[in-house]
Amino acid sequence: QLRLQESGPGLVKPSETLSLTCTVSGDSISSSSYFWGWIRQPPGKGLEYIGSVFYSGTPYYNPSLKSRVAVSLDTSMNQLSLRLSSVTAADTAVYFCARALSSWYDDGFDVWGQGTLVAVSS
Amino acid sequence: QSVLTQAPSASGTPGQRVTISCSGSSSNVGSNYVYWYQQLPGTAPKLLIYRNNLRPSGVPDRFSGSKSDTSASLAISGLRSEDEADYYCAAWDDNVNGWVFGGGTKLTVL
Repeated sequence: QLRLQESGPGLVKPSETLSLTCTVSGDSISSSSYFWGWIRQPPGKGLEYIGSVFYSGTPYYNPSLKSRVAVSLDTSMNQLSLRLSSVTAADTAVYFCARALSSWYDDGFDVWGQGTLVAVSS
Repeated sequence: QSVLTQAPSASGTPGQRVTISCSGSSSNVGSNYVYWYQQLPGTAPKLLIYRNNLRPSGVPDRFSGSKSDTSASLAISGLRSEDEADYYCAAWDDNVNGWVFGGGTKLTVL
């Protein structure tokens, strides 16, 4: 059974870089043909797309975050990674990793991690 | 402001049929598939409808999706108390080359 688990610091200081990993179990990122992505949700607000990546392609990013974000796959660790630089309080959110339905970049996400709350505060 | 527009709230009584709407534009809903997610309090979103009107395995047939031009709808028939949740629509947007979401509709079962 496919399982995704986010991990990383729960508190990040303003102007620093937020780094999260999503460990995938029950499937191999390198052998599977799916897009993988990150979505976040500020407290009490809606969902916001961060970025998504295929194991052999160029990532797609939310234009509003593109200058600060990097999404990548680590096939040796079977993990999905997120780096978001120069964070502010507006980046406080629950961060979800997810797997898409297929290898199509525009196919929705059907398997989600439980999410991890990251607060940006000094 | 979300790119896709949803009413912030909806309500119904048990057994009733409710519809949640999602309005977009030609670059997203009008030209790509629509997806619907259900989010119960404190949990991750769950895929409810994919590619406009398909249900993943395990999703009851009380849930159905439709799309017309730049608008989409999620219908829930035979409303149950456990359907009380937030519902989000999503679509790929060709202008921004990324996913856009609706602001979410909070469904209350009275």
